Amino acid sequence: NAGVTQTPKFRILKIGQSMTLQCTQDMNHNYMYWYRQDPGMGLKLIYYSVGAGITDKGEVPNGYNVSRSTTEDFPLRLELAAPSQTSVYFCASSYPHDRRGSGNTIYFGEGSWLTVV
Amino acid sequence: AQRVTQPEKLLSVFKGAPVELKCNYSYSGSPELFWYVQYSRQRLQLLLRHISRESIKGFTADLNKGETSFHLKKPFAQEEDSAMYYCALGGLSGSARQLTFGSGTQLTVLP
Repeated sequence: NAGVTQTPKFRILKIGQSMTLQCTQDMNHNYMYWYRQDPGMGLKLIYYSVGAGITDKGEVPNGYNVSRSTTEDFPLRLELAAPSQTSVYFCASSYPHDRRGSGNTIYFGEGSWLTVV
Repeated sequence: AQRVTQPEKLLSVFKGAPVELKCNYSYSGSPELFWYVQYSRQRLQLLLRHISRESIKGFTADLNKGETSFHLKKPFAQEEDSAMYYCALGGLSGSARQLTFGSGTQLTVLP
């Protein structure tokens, strides 16, 4: 059981380039998320999805796009990379309800380090 | 709006000493609170959640609604506890969309 898998782990982009961060999970979770983590800051939610075909903006969606064509995959696209998008990106997933009814456990990927120069 | 505040970015304690990582929250509804931990070179993982009232790796956290706090405590810190700790606030129960993270506290346990 691989959990949440993100690729690539590291990437350097030039300003204006585009790229897609891939995320896949094998736990059959309905909910998936993309967070970014800036130095000294908490995780900020970029986009989330409550199921295939449904996506919603989080706290910091500008400059990003997502799609959710399958339950397993939730790619994050940067169309015109900017230095402000230099960050660590985390994909995560969860059930809507913990199966024991004790809250939402969110499972994270290992992170993708992105530098825009 | 919901908010999570972790006032200490860095915290150092000696091995065997008690440790408390502070977390305060702001939320108008019924909160669901979590502590997540990120060990060096590992992914973020759930440490504990208030609704379970559990103790994990010797850590406990009690929700104090009067003080709107959810501080993480351990009576005797170990070197392997060194990690980044995040407090997180869930909105409505079952609404994963509302999870808000604090800025994190880097705990270092000195030998």
